[in-house]
Amino acid sequence: AQSVAQPEDQVNVAEGNPLTVKCTYSVSGNPYLFWYVQYPNRGLQFLLKYITGDNLVKGSYGFEAEFNKSQTSFHLKKPSALVSDSALYFCAVRDGGYQKVTFGIGTKLQVIP
Amino acid sequence: EAGVTQSPTHLIKTRGQQATLRCSPISGHTSVYWYQQALGLGLQFLLWYDEGEERNRGNFPPRFSGRQFPNYSSELNVNALELEDSALYLCASSLDGIAEAFFGQGTRLTVV
Repeated sequence: AQSVAQPEDQVNVAEGNPLTVKCTYSVSGNPYLFWYVQYPNRGLQFLLKYITGDNLVKGSYGFEAEFNKSQTSFHLKKPSALVSDSALYFCAVRDGGYQKVTFGIGTKLQVIP
Repeated sequence: EAGVTQSPTHLIKTRGQQATLRCSPISGHTSVYWYQQALGLGLQFLLWYDEGEERNRGNFPPRFSGRQFPNYSSELNVNALELEDSALYLCASSLDGIAEAFFGQGTRLTVV
C-alpha cells in the first residue's frame, strides 16, 4: 500500500529565509510525487510534480522539490520565504500510473514578517 | 478555461438524510476523484472514476457512493448521514491516470 508522511504539523520561518517542508513516501513501484498548497477556505492548488527525470523539480511561485530515491523523500523548498506563502501544504504520491493519489496530512507553513 | 466546479458550495443536512454533491471536471479530463477533508485528518481518498468506471475506492462505508456520467461529470452520494460526515468534500479531475489533479473549491457539508 502506498503512503505519505509529513512529519511536521507546522513549520515556522522568518520572511526572507529559506524554507523546507518535509515529505517521505512509501510505494511498491515507481513513485509519482506531487505538492499542493491550500489557502484558507479554498481548494488545493497544484505546485509541482515529479514523474521521472531530474531529481530537482521546479514549480509555481518559486517553489522547488528534490526527489531522493534512497531516502524516499520529496521535500519542498524555497530559497526566500514570503508572508504570502503562509498556507497548508500537502504532499501526495501515486504508486505508478493509473493508481489513486494518496495525500499526506498536510503541513501548515507560517512565514513570520 | 473553466476549472473544476462543485455544487453546492454549502450543504446543511439533518442526521439520517441523504446528500448529493456534484462535480464538473475540466473540459477534456476523464478522471474524477473525490476526497473528504475533515478537521485535523488531512485529505481522505473516497472514490476515483475514470471513463465512467469506478477505478478505486477508499476505506469508507458503502453509504458513500457515486457515479460518473457520460460527460465525465460526477456525483457523490452520502446516505444515512452521520454527524461525523461533516467535512469539506473536494473533487478533482485529471487528464488521465498519470497527470496531476486539479481541485474544485469544495462542498462544505454540515450534518446537524
